[in-house]
Formats: sequence, structure tokens, C-alpha cells
Amino acid sequence: DSGVTQTPKHLITATGQRVTLRCSPRSGDLSVYWYQQSLDQGLQFLIQYYNGEERAKGNILERFSAQQFPDLHSELNLSSLELGDSALYFCASSAGSGVGVYETQYFGPGTRLLVL
Amino acid sequence: GENVEQHPSTLSVQEGDSAVIKCTYSDSASNYFPWYKQELGKRPQLIIDIRSNVGEKKDQRIAVTLNKTAKHFSLHITETQPEDSAVYFCAASIWNYGQNFVFGPGTRLSVLP
Repeated sequence: DSGVTQTPKHLITATGQRVTLRCSPRSGDLSVYWYQQSLDQGLQFLIQYYNGEERAKGNILERFSAQQFPDLHSELNLSSLELGDSALYFCASSAGSGVGVYETQYFGPGTRLLVL
Repeated sequence: GENVEQHPSTLSVQEGDSAVIKCTYSDSASNYFPWYKQELGKRPQLIIDIRSNVGEKKDQRIAVTLNKTAKHFSLHITETQPEDSAVYFCAASIWNYGQNFVFGPGTRLSVLP
């Protein structure tokens, strides 16, 4: 158990809908990262937050958005869902110095999203 | 942007043999290279990483080498065991006010008893 929690574990929804995925980082970790893992696209970095501030952006679609709250938990919002958004969404956290020190990321168990 | 290639896509070795997985990256500004192991149905786990100011790093049976000039890095696993069977991902990261990652497509390693 990495100490990172994600809810829900599974999510089934329909095209065009909107969903919110939640992540609670390890106690004390300031950085949160979101990843998408699909069969054909592999593991893709979406976005990083550090202490509530967006710090890095990967291949995140405009229909997707994220935020990190004052208690450091993070939410990933996916809207206007398409069949191709079906994937496993991972959240990871690290201690987060904010100054370019590379730290081990600890991954959560993931949320499996199925869009029908 | 950064692009990471990874070879081979699948690798089968006999227990006790060595396994080597190679990755190449395109952006010379990348300066951090982690390797993750992902077992079926589980989360990725960091197994080893290397920074651009280091050429080689070893941790028991696992080692990573980095050639910045050629822009490639490799994972070496010696004395493989059946529990090493998993998908391995390499990644390249650039620090630019935040930490961005680009992953290779993965290598499925099977260690045959």
C-alpha cells in the first residue's frame, strides 16, 4: 500500500457525461500527478500540482481539468466523455520540494473508467 | 516535444539469465530517467532512477546506464526470477518549474522457469 488513495475504484458512465476522480496523496506530500493508462496509448502524464498550484502539463485534453485543494487532495474532472476516454487513471504523489529535486512518486491504485 | 522509444516490446528470458531493455529520448534537456515496473492489474512502482549527471546506477540485481551523448538509457536485470515478470516502463523527465514525464510504450518481460 503506497498511502495514496483514489476513489472511486471503478466508474461506468455514458458518452457525453462528466465525472470527477478523486485522489488523496500520502500524508505530508505536496505534489500530485495525474496519469492516464489506456491499452493503445500506454502511460501518459496529464498534469502536476504542487501545493495547490499547477506546475506541469502533459497531454491533457481541454475537456479535462484538475485542481488541488488546500487540504492537498486533488480532483480530475473529465467532461464530454468519449469512448476513447475509457482508461485507467492513476494519481501519484511525492514529497514535493518545488525546486526541481526529483523525488520518488508513489502511485495510487487507480480508477478504472469505462465510457459506454 | 519529448519522444521516448522503448525496445523490445516483449522479452522472454530463462530464469537466471539477464534481461536488457533500451530506451531512447529526443530532448537533450531531459535530465531525469525513472524506470517503473507494473504487474498485471497493479499500480506502477519505481524500481530505479538515474539523473543526467550520473552514468550508471546499481541496486542489487538491477542497474541503469545512461549515455547522454547518444540520448539513450538502459535497464539491466541480472539473475532474473519469475517474480520479475511484469511490464517495464522507462520515462524521461524535464524540470521546468514542474516535473513533466514522457513514458516509453513499455516492455513485457516474461521470465520462464
